[in-house]
Amino acid sequence: NAGVTQTPKFRVLKTGQSMTLLCAQDMNHEYMYWYRQDPGMGLRLIHYSVGEGTTAKGEVPDGYNVSRLKKQNFLLGLESAAPSQTSVYFCASSYGTTNYNEQFFGPGTRLTVL
Amino acid sequence: ELKVEQNPLFLSMQEGKNYTIYCNYSTTSDRLYWYRQDPGKSLESLFVLLSNGAVKQEGRLMASLDTKARLSTLHITAAVHDLSATYFCAVAVNQLIWGAGTKLIIKP
Repeated sequence: NAGVTQTPKFRVLKTGQSMTLLCAQDMNHEYMYWYRQDPGMGLRLIHYSVGEGTTAKGEVPDGYNVSRLKKQNFLLGLESAAPSQTSVYFCASSYGTTNYNEQFFGPGTRLTVL
Repeated sequence: ELKVEQNPLFLSMQEGKNYTIYCNYSTTSDRLYWYRQDPGKSLESLFVLLSNGAVKQEGRLMASLDTKARLSTLHITAAVHDLSATYFCAVAVNQLIWGAGTKLIIKP
């Protein structure tokens, strides 16, 4: 099993450009999450999904959109990138019926917005 | 507002020494996780602590939870270089709320 995978691993954008980050998991997990990690700030939840076709806002959702059209995939979109969105983005997934079960993380995407 | 505070945020220590990382949180929770992150890598689950008084051990790492004090500790015994990493605690309150991380450097 590949676990949680993320595409791409690195990306450089110019301000105002758009992009989509792809997360895929092969563990049949119901819950999926997008976080951003900035130095000294731990992980902050952007959006999450409790199942196919559902999404919800996390702590820092502004400037991002998500979609969960298939259970195994969770997409994070930036419509108009800003330098403040320079960060490392992690996708995670978890099993079970609560929002705080053990989460399994992907390798991360390092995004730089110039 | 729920706060999860780790201290210290940075720790440099010699091999063979013992030390403790603290995770304090500001609201009721009975589930807490510890994760490890190597530089440039993803996060790996170390421990899940599910109740007051829970203690888990793996090799030179031991984690404990005191829900009444709203405190978890991660104790390192006879540190070795391979334990150098950043350690995060995450508290379960509707969702996981993460501490800022403790960067641990263990010098040979």
